[in-house]
Amino acid sequence: RKEVEQDPGPFNVPEGATVAFNCTYSNSASQSFFWYRQDCRKEPKLLMSVYSSGNEDGRFTAQLNRASQYISLLIRDSKLSDSATYLCVVNPYSSASKIIFGSGTRLSIRP
Amino acid sequence: GAGVSQSPSNKVTEKGKDVELRCDPISGHTALYWYRQSLGQGLEFLIYFQGNSAPDKSGLPSDRFSAERTGGSVSTLTIQRTQQEDSAVYLCASSGPPYNYGYTFGSGTRLTVV
Repeated sequence: RKEVEQDPGPFNVPEGATVAFNCTYSNSASQSFFWYRQDCRKEPKLLMSVYSSGNEDGRFTAQLNRASQYISLLIRDSKLSDSATYLCVVNPYSSASKIIFGSGTRLSIRP
Repeated sequence: GAGVSQSPSNKVTEKGKDVELRCDPISGHTALYWYRQSLGQGLEFLIYFQGNSAPDKSGLPSDRFSAERTGGSVSTLTIQRTQQEDSAVYLCASSGPPYNYGYTFGSGTRLTVV
C-alpha cells in the first residue's frame, strides 16, 4: 500500500460546481497534513493546511478523518482558475522529516 | 531571502557530464528538501536536510547522486555522469521551525540530458 494515495482523476466539472477529493494515508501516527496546488509546469504551492477540527478558506474546505485515515478537500462554486493538480501532503512527525506527497488529482473546470 | 531560490532554472547537458544544482532556502528555515518530477509524474523524494545533516537519503536513485548543505543554508545537489533518465525538474523546498506551516518550493531546475 502506498503511503499516500489519491485518485488521479481527471475530474472534469462545469464552472460553479462543487467538487471533492479524498486522500488516504497509511501511517496512523501522521501529524501534519496539507493540500498543495500545482499548475502545469510550475512548482507546487501551499493551498491550505488541514487541521483536526476541519478548516475553511473561502470556497475551500479541508477535513481530516483520523479514524479512517483520510483527508478531504472540497471546492465550492468552482472557477476556471481552479483547474490544476491538487496534491495531498503528509508529514509523519511534528518535526522536520521526509514529507510524503500523493501523486495528485487533476481537476479541469469547463466553462 | 524572501523565497526559495534555485539555479540554474534550466540546464542542458551532455550525457556523461556532471551537473550541480543549487538551492538557497528561505532565511531561517532549518529543513531543506530535494524532490524531482518527471513530465506528467508525481514528486519523487530524493533527500532532506535538518541543518547540515541529512537524516534521510533514501530517495537518492544511485551513487551518482549526492547532496550537501553548508552553513545550514545553501544546498547543492550533484549528479555525476548524467544519464538521459536523469532528465526531470528538480525541486527544492524549505520549512520551519515550526514544521506544521507547510513547505515553500523554489521554481525548480529543469534538467535535460542529451
